[in-house]
Amino acid sequence: SQQGEEDPQALSIQEGENATMNCSYKTSINNLQWYRQNSGRGLVHLILIRSNEREKHSGRLRVTLDTSKKSSSLLITASRAADTASYFCATYRSGGSYIPTFGRGTSLIVHP
Amino acid sequence: DGGITQSPKYLFRKEGQNVTLSCEQNLNHDAMYWYRQDPGQGLRLIYYSQIVNDFQKGDIAEGYSVSREKKESFPLTVTSAQKNPTAFYLCASSTRTGLSNLYEQYFGPGTRLTVT
Repeated sequence: SQQGEEDPQALSIQEGENATMNCSYKTSINNLQWYRQNSGRGLVHLILIRSNEREKHSGRLRVTLDTSKKSSSLLITASRAADTASYFCATYRSGGSYIPTFGRGTSLIVHP
Repeated sequence: DGGITQSPKYLFRKEGQNVTLSCEQNLNHDAMYWYRQDPGQGLRLIYYSQIVNDFQKGDIAEGYSVSREKKESFPLTVTSAQKNPTAFYLCASSTRTGLSNLYEQYFGPGTRLTVT
């Protein structure tokens, strides 16, 4: 069963604009991670945010977590054509589970 | 270079044939996973293994089998019992750090299987 669901399913923006994608989940989590997948490739880990954190930054990435709303957002600032990819959130349920549950992903297209 | 390799990148088989997908890692990770990805879909867990000689079914294990005889290797066999085997298959591994509960997954490049 899919715990995390990303929104929107697809996002198309111009280079230089910011891209925001959201992830909602259903049960209590230990941490939430965002991954990126280029077309036809494996996933690459981007950033992890723990359940007791509210915001985290890594380069042009900003992730927020609202456990009361069971949601997270990934912001990519000053997007580049090379950011074109699918982005997935993965949640790890609290209780020590090391099995992630992935959402369906947001497909981001950045036009040069 | 440390990482996960999957081979082959593309695989074509006739219906009714079993096929084995390779996954090897040199990251010294205990846990390994197999996922299936269909177009426009997320990842669905097929099997996972926490340790050598042990593995567990994921959400969609029917029609698949695995083995974990070595820490580095976790091959997946797609059997003829799998009704719709054409998909993109991803292997991943992670360390198990029980104290921190942080399990970043490292993915291989994937194998695209087409069964006709």
